[in-house]
Amino acid sequence: SVLTQPPSVSGAPGQRVTISCTGNSSSIGTFSFIHWYQQLPGTAPKLLIFDNHNRPLGLPDRFSGSKSGTSASLAITGLRAEDEGDYYCQSYDRSLTGWVFGGGTKLTVL
Amino acid sequence: EVKLVESGGGLVQPGGSLRLSCVASGFTVGGNFMNWVRQAPGRGLQWVAGSDGGGNTFYADSVKGRFTISRDNSKNTVFLQLDNLRAEDTAVYYCARAYGSSANWFDPWGQGTLVTVFS
Repeated sequence: SVLTQPPSVSGAPGQRVTISCTGNSSSIGTFSFIHWYQQLPGTAPKLLIFDNHNRPLGLPDRFSGSKSGTSASLAITGLRAEDEGDYYCQSYDRSLTGWVFGGGTKLTVL
Repeated sequence: EVKLVESGGGLVQPGGSLRLSCVASGFTVGGNFMNWVRQAPGRGLQWVAGSDGGGNTFYADSVKGRFTISRDNSKNTVFLQLDNLRAEDTAVYYCARAYGSSANWFDPWGQGTLVTVFS
C-alpha cells in the first residue's frame, strides 16, 4: 500500500492506543489530508476522522487524529470492547491520481 | 438520513460480466462525486472507480478498460459495469460518496455487494 499502517495493535479496556499511517510527499504531503475509517466485523467502513483531525457529528471525542509531515496517527482513548475492528487511513495520491488506503490495522481489545 | 444501497453482485465465471447498482437516498447523486471501493476477502480497501458531477470518470489501473462507472441522475443511481472479470476481482464492492471541498473523504458507504469470480 502507498500508505503504511501497522498490521495490529492491542490494548486493555480503558487504555489509550495509537495507530500510525506513513506515506510520502505525494500521499501525505503539505497539501494532502488524511482520513480514517473504522470497520467493525461484518460491516461496511464508517468515517471516523476527516481532514486529519475533524470528527463527524456525533462521534465521541475518544477518537482523535493528527498529522505531521508525511505521517499521521489515530488515537483512541478509553478503549472499549466495541472498538475492536479494523482501522484504515486514506488519502488522495497526486502522483497516482487516485484515492489510496493504508493496509489496515486490526485493533484487539484485550 | 443519507444512505446508499448496492445490489447486483453474484457468482460469475472468469471473462463474464456483472452490473452493480447503487441507489442513493437523502441526497442527489447528480451534484456529488460517486465512487466504488472494493475489499477482497480478508484484505484491505481498494478504490476502484469514481464519477464526478461533470461527467468525468476515473479508474484504478487494475480495472481500467474493463470496468465502467456511470450514473442515472433521474433514478439517483450509480452503476458499475464489470466486464472481462478475473478471479482477483472477487470482492465486496462498496458504493461511497466522496465528500469535502476536493472530494477528499468517503461518506457515506453502502452495505456492499459481493462479487465472486470462480472457474
